[in-house]
Amino acid sequence: SQQGEEDPQALSIQEGENATMNCSYKTSINNLQWYRQNSGRGLVHLILIRSNEREKHSGRLRVTLDTSKKSSSLLITASRAADTASYFCATGGGADGLTFGKGTHLIIQP
Amino acid sequence: NAGVTQTPKFQVLKTGQSMTLQCAQDMNHEYMSWYRQDPGMGLRLIHYSVGAGITDQGEVPNGYNVSRSTTEDFPLRLLSAAPSQTSVYFCASSHAPGNEQFFGPGTRLTVL
Repeated sequence: SQQGEEDPQALSIQEGENATMNCSYKTSINNLQWYRQNSGRGLVHLILIRSNEREKHSGRLRVTLDTSKKSSSLLITASRAADTASYFCATGGGADGLTFGKGTHLIIQP
Repeated sequence: NAGVTQTPKFQVLKTGQSMTLQCAQDMNHEYMSWYRQDPGMGLRLIHYSVGAGITDQGEVPNGYNVSRSTTEDFPLRLLSAAPSQTSVYFCASSHAPGNEQFFGPGTRLTVL
């Protein structure tokens, strides 16, 4: 069953603009992770935010976590063509691993 | 380090055939898992292993077997392929289940 659900399902923006995607989940979590998947490739880990953290930065990425609303957001600033990919949030941490959402497909228009 | 490797990259099977998807990692990770990715469905966990000799079922285990005889290898066996198993299969590994997962490049499987 899906734990995380990303929103929107698809997003198209101009190069240089900021991209924001959201993730909602259902049960309490230890941490939440974001992954990127380029077309035809495996997933690549972007960032992990723990349940006691509210915000985390990594380069042009900013992730927020609101455990009271069971939601997270991923902001990519100053987007580039190379950011075109699908982005997934994932929750879990027990032995049965991570549960992924269906992803947001981001297209950066040149 | 090669990271997580998967073979083959592509495979076409006929209904009823069996095959093994190979997965290996050189990072000495205890935790390994197999996912399938279908359009509009995201990734779904098939089987996972918390260490050599220990495996367990995930969300969609039917039609698949796994074994973990070494830390490095975690093969996935399709016992009798069905068209519903047409999918892209990803192997992943990490030091622990909740940690950053390292994914292989995937195997694209078509069952006719």
